[in-house]
Parts: sequence; C-alpha cells; structure tokens
Amino acid sequence: DTEVTQTPKHLVMGMTNKKSLKCEQHMGHRAMYWYKQKAKKPPELMFVYSYEKLSINESVPSRFSPECPNSSLLNLHLHALQPEDSALYLCASSQDPGTGASYEQYFGPGTRLTVT
Amino acid sequence: GEDVEQSLFLSVREGDSSVINCTYTDSSSTYLYWYKQEPGAGLQLLTYIFSNMDMKQDQRLTVLLNKKDKHLSLRIADTQTGDSAIYFCAERSAGNNRKLIWGLGTSLAVNP
Repeated sequence: DTEVTQTPKHLVMGMTNKKSLKCEQHMGHRAMYWYKQKAKKPPELMFVYSYEKLSINESVPSRFSPECPNSSLLNLHLHALQPEDSALYLCASSQDPGTGASYEQYFGPGTRLTVT
Repeated sequence: GEDVEQSLFLSVREGDSSVINCTYTDSSSTYLYWYKQEPGAGLQLLTYIFSNMDMKQDQRLTVLLNKKDKHLSLRIADTQTGDSAIYFCAERSAGNNRKLIWGLGTSLAVNP
C-alpha cells in the first residue's frame, strides 16, 4: 500500500479564519513533508519532519504552522492567510534517509486551498 | 547551484513513443525520479533510477541515464491518451538527501 490520504480535498477560507489540513500514511514511513504547488509549477518544499521532529523549515511564514502528532499523521495549521497563499497543498512521505533505501517520496492527492 | 531543466511541452500521436528529457547539474546526485501529475491530482511516482545505473525498464517506461552528460530521459512506449499529463524530473543530492530538486515539468499532450 503506497497511499497517502489528505483532508479536506478543497478548502475555502477567509483571511481571518483558522483552519487545518490533515495528512495520514500507514506505510511505516518516518519522514513526512508539506509542499505548496501553484498551477503548472513544480512543488515547493515547505516543511520536513523526520521521526516526528521538524528537520527542515524552508523559511515559511509563521501563518503556516506544522504539527506531527505521531508517525502516521501530519497537520498544517493555517491562520491569517493571504490570497497569494491559494494553491494546492501536497503532503508526502518517505522512508527516512539513513536507512540506505531509495527513500522515494509518495504524495497524497492534495488539498486545493482558496483564500478569499 | 543545483538545477534541473526540462523542455516545457511535448506533443505526440497516440501509439507513438514519447521521450521526455531532463538535464541536471549536480554531479553528486544519488537518485533521479520521474513523477506524473494529471490535472487536479497529486504527484504519482512513476519510476526512479540510482545514479550508478544506465537504464531501468518498467513495462512501457524506460529510463536512460547518462551520468557523464548529466542527462536523464523517460521513454513511454505506445503512448495513450491517458498518458497526457505533466511529467516532473527530480533529483536527490548526496549533500541534502531530504530535499528534491525539481524540474519545471514537461506537459505531454497525446493526440488521437
């Protein structure tokens, strides 16, 4: 099973709202990722968690707050977003580098976020 | 710095072979990946190749790697309309193995 699930599929929120995106995987992967993708562009890395600890933050604004409650779950908390934050938000998981494996990343279907 | 380049568009007829090309600059690349993205969907891992391999075949997909020229290609045999999508090439550097460097993607259009 190489499935990563994300909820919700679509989200419309105002600039004063607080919402959360959720991601789940049951592949036993110990690295999980958040990406932001604009239309017809490659994904941009936002955060990486390794063994439930934040290992990479690509200078993401604090209005995006990641959380990894356990090895299967990854959340992205959103607060006071701007219209330019509208995008497809993708979650991915992989075996953690250091296992010696190819640690390919498996992606979820994404959450289409619109900020009004 | 590290860079991955792809041609932006490719158009082929149904039943023909498609070849999508990618060049990269990082000589310490360990793995190179091909992802497919259909409209409105997430990224689907198609295949990957380790940097000490020259070729990998998986059903209709053939990956060729020329490490000397830092050139990667993905050949899709008997291309179908369902292959219409954006194809992204990505590389993993030995220097930062949690971060992928992505190409801009090649939009493949398959005409009946």
